[in-house]
Amino acid sequence: GAGVSQSPRYKVAKRGQDVALRCDPISGHVSLFWYQQALGQGPEFLTYFQNEAQLDKSGLPSDRFFAERPEGSVSTLKIQRTQQEDSAVYLCASSLVRRSNEKLFFGSGTQLSVL
Amino acid sequence: GNSVTQMEGPVTLSEEAFLTINCTYTATGYPSLFWYVQYPGEGLQLLLKATKADDKGSNKGFEATYRKETTSFHLEKGSVQVSDSAVYFCALSGGTSYGKLTFGQGTILTVHP
Repeated sequence: GAGVSQSPRYKVAKRGQDVALRCDPISGHVSLFWYQQALGQGPEFLTYFQNEAQLDKSGLPSDRFFAERPEGSVSTLKIQRTQQEDSAVYLCASSLVRRSNEKLFFGSGTQLSVL
Repeated sequence: GNSVTQMEGPVTLSEEAFLTINCTYTATGYPSLFWYVQYPGEGLQLLLKATKADDKGSNKGFEATYRKETTSFHLEKGSVQVSDSAVYFCALSGGTSYGKLTFGQGTILTVHP
């Protein structure tokens, strides 16, 4: 597709449920990021992939959060045993190359509400 | 660690007014600085960037100058339009080679006709 695609657009989960959020980056993009954006706040870094390798997962808030990108394209962010504090918009972003000043392309995000 | 502080909003202006949104940062080394914009219902988009001290980024009438001496990257526009209504995020990339961004909290801008 023309841009970064995320699905679902909205997800409502009961506390304790597992959820999986999908990101389709722009074709050919090497770098892929996940960010978490709480209401009224800026995005916060969760994890980074270069192709299929997860090179930085320092922002994952707990071991309930897990991300993968097995073939270097589509990525999935999984949250186990969801808690109310997990409610946020989860943003995926990709860039063509691995460079510190490279432009990131963001998806529209998945809004997760945990009840 | 890296951090970005933006002026608190929301900011409400009349069309053709002058806009300034303040942004200051804390970082080690020489970060790259960015302004991203989020229009209603859309994803974050890069508005402009500057990669070294005294660089000026500009796009769509918006400008920001990388000021290392004051650790600032304030966003300005001389004459805002209703279509500029959005949320603006200041961000920096530093400390890694792959562009991990640290964002400010965002500033909501509303422009009235």
